[in-house]
Amino acid sequence: EDQVTQSPEALRLQEGESSSLNCSYTVSGLRGLFWYRQDPGKGPEFLFTLYSAGEEKEKERLKATLTKKESFLHITAPKPEDSATYLCAVSTDSWGKLQFGAGTQVVVTP
Amino acid sequence: NAGVTQTPKFQVLKTGQSMTLQCAQDMNHEYMSWYRQDPGMGLRLIHYSVGAGITDQGEVPNGYNVSRSTTEDFPLRLLSAAPSQTSVYFCASSWGTGGRETQYFGPGTRLLVL
Repeated sequence: EDQVTQSPEALRLQEGESSSLNCSYTVSGLRGLFWYRQDPGKGPEFLFTLYSAGEEKEKERLKATLTKKESFLHITAPKPEDSATYLCAVSTDSWGKLQFGAGTQVVVTP
Repeated sequence: NAGVTQTPKFQVLKTGQSMTLQCAQDMNHEYMSWYRQDPGMGLRLIHYSVGAGITDQGEVPNGYNVSRSTTEDFPLRLLSAAPSQTSVYFCASSWGTGGRETQYFGPGTRLLVL
C-alpha cells in the first residue's frame, strides 16, 4: 500500500535558524512529488514539483530535494512569514491523483 | 484570472440535509478534483474528473456525488449530510492528466454538520 509520511509533525524555529522537513514515501512508480504551503484558513499553495531522484528546486529561502525514498524541504535562515504548514504529496498514476502526507506545521519566532 | 473559486466559504447543515459545494476555474483546466481535509490527516481525494462528462471515484467517495457538464465547473453534492462529513473541502484543478501536472487549489469550504 502506498504511504506518505511527513516528519516532524511540528517544528518551532527561531528566526534565522535553518532546518529541514522530511517527506518519506513508499509507492510504486512515482510520477511526481509535490510540495505545498498552507496558511491557516487557506487552500494549499504550490511550491515545487520534483520528478526524479537527484533533482533539486529552489525558491527564496526554500530548497526541495528528492531521493528514491524521501524528499527534504530545507528552510534556510527562516523568517516569521515562513510560518505555515508544509504539505508533501505524491502522484503515482496517470490520472493525477495525489496522496498527501499529514503535513509539518512550522512556526518561526522573531 | 480568478483561478479556482469555491462557494460557500462556510456552511452549517443539519444531519440529513443536502447541499452542493460549488467549484469553478477559469484556466481552461482539463482535470478537476475534490479533497477533504481533517485534523491530523492529509488531504484525501473524494472524486475527480479528467474532462467534461468524465468522473471517477477517489479514496473516500461514499456520501458524495459529482458531475461535470462543463470544463469550468465541478460541483460536489452531499445527498444526506452526516456528522462524519464535517470537514474542510478543497477543489483543485490542473491543465492536464498524466500525474506530473501541478494542481492548483481553491480557498476551501468549511462544512459543519450538526
